[in-house]
Amino acid sequence: LAKTTQPISMDSYEGQEVNITCSHNNIATNDYITWYQQFPSQGPRFIIQGYKTKVTNEVASLFIPADRKSSTLSLPRVSLSDTAVYYCLVGDSGNTPLVFGKGTRLSVIA
Amino acid sequence: GAVVSQHPSRVICKSGTSVKIECRSLDFQATTMFWYRQFPKQSLMLMATSNEGSKATYEQGVEKDKFLINHASLTLSTLTVTSAHPEDSSFYICSAPGQSGNTIYFGEGSWLTVV
Repeated sequence: LAKTTQPISMDSYEGQEVNITCSHNNIATNDYITWYQQFPSQGPRFIIQGYKTKVTNEVASLFIPADRKSSTLSLPRVSLSDTAVYYCLVGDSGNTPLVFGKGTRLSVIA
Repeated sequence: GAVVSQHPSRVICKSGTSVKIECRSLDFQATTMFWYRQFPKQSLMLMATSNEGSKATYEQGVEKDKFLINHASLTLSTLTVTSAHPEDSSFYICSAPGQSGNTIYFGEGSWLTVV
């Protein structure tokens, strides 16, 4: 399973766009990139998944360069409720367990 | 997305007793489920892969006789912590791949406190 590296923590003010970058230099051809959000005492919540280029949904965008060795989660106009830990994971299928790194602890300040 | 539910959300048990945590896939079938534990301020640590109709696969360092996993149906996996000790107190989370196959969904988690 590819190993991922993310910043340990980030701070942002409300209303700003937040970009969290994840490095996955050893990503395999069949691997997808998935981001999860976790609040204290809750299970991780799926945010977005992509394979290449750009993916956008109602809560975030995911940018993946051509070499796929990194990815960037973009959260537009964050609010206090976006304060959480964000995990970037790579894997080739749902039947392969995800191995979590340390994640990025995002703190949104009023 | 797919819904994975755990029960109970919180449980307190005495040292030496056993406690069972259930993980259900509510609107889809899951031949495989995954169990994690998470200590405060730490990341999720994979414990085992639960396989419907066969034995679970445990990660290195996880005692299979202490953490019993049963996956008797396509929608239910259970984790039983046997002879619980205070150091087993943790947040236990299960997950399962959704119907699309590429995305894994997580349960709400279960807090276990051993006193």
